[in-house]
Amino acid sequence: ELKVEQNPLFLSMQEGKNYTIYCNYSTTSDRLYWYRQDPGKSLESLFVLLSNGAVKQEGRLMASLDTKARLSTLHITAAVHDLSATYFCAGGDSGYALNFGKGTSLLVTP
Amino acid sequence: DSGVTQTPKHLITATGQRVTLRCSPRSGDLSVYWYQQSLDQGLQFLIQYYNGEERAKGNILERFSAQQFPDLHSELNLSSLELGDSALYFCASSVRSMGTIAQIGELFFGEGSRLTVL
Repeated sequence: ELKVEQNPLFLSMQEGKNYTIYCNYSTTSDRLYWYRQDPGKSLESLFVLLSNGAVKQEGRLMASLDTKARLSTLHITAAVHDLSATYFCAGGDSGYALNFGKGTSLLVTP
Repeated sequence: DSGVTQTPKHLITATGQRVTLRCSPRSGDLSVYWYQQSLDQGLQFLIQYYNGEERAKGNILERFSAQQFPDLHSELNLSSLELGDSALYFCASSVRSMGTIAQIGELFFGEGSRLTVL
């Protein structure tokens, strides 16, 4: 079974700063997803990464995938308060459930 | 709005009771997944149905059961409830197999049903 580990689990950062969240996974996976969850809310898909070297960017967030290292990163550039949320990475094979990491709770402060 | 509908949104009940959570997937999605989210366990996969048939099981307790009906909606039944069953239960659905490769695996989540067992 695919296991997903994220770090850090908690992250407090100042507005305007950059930071990276790391996601390691244990076995091969067809794809790697990043989801965002606001407190008490549903999960929203941010990125899907399908192949080695894949890079996706949306606004201040950029996700990348290194399948050889079984590592995905979510880089935050010039953080703003609206990015405060919990970010999950998840992997799994097509057609089956995704296994999620424990999530990284991000708090962006002035 | 993901298109996945879950009811009820909130539920408070007592230990030993039984509850049913309902999920309507996105129009056309054949797969339904149930997840449990709690503070200590994170997001745990419970069970998956595909077009009415059980496809995969995760960490689902024997006190819990689920089914998917011909109209593709799904129900998760939780019985003999314990305090530790208090959690947010999510349903997700995935795009029909005719979608793009990227879309096939993407899960769309409902708003969740928050269960409190007292």
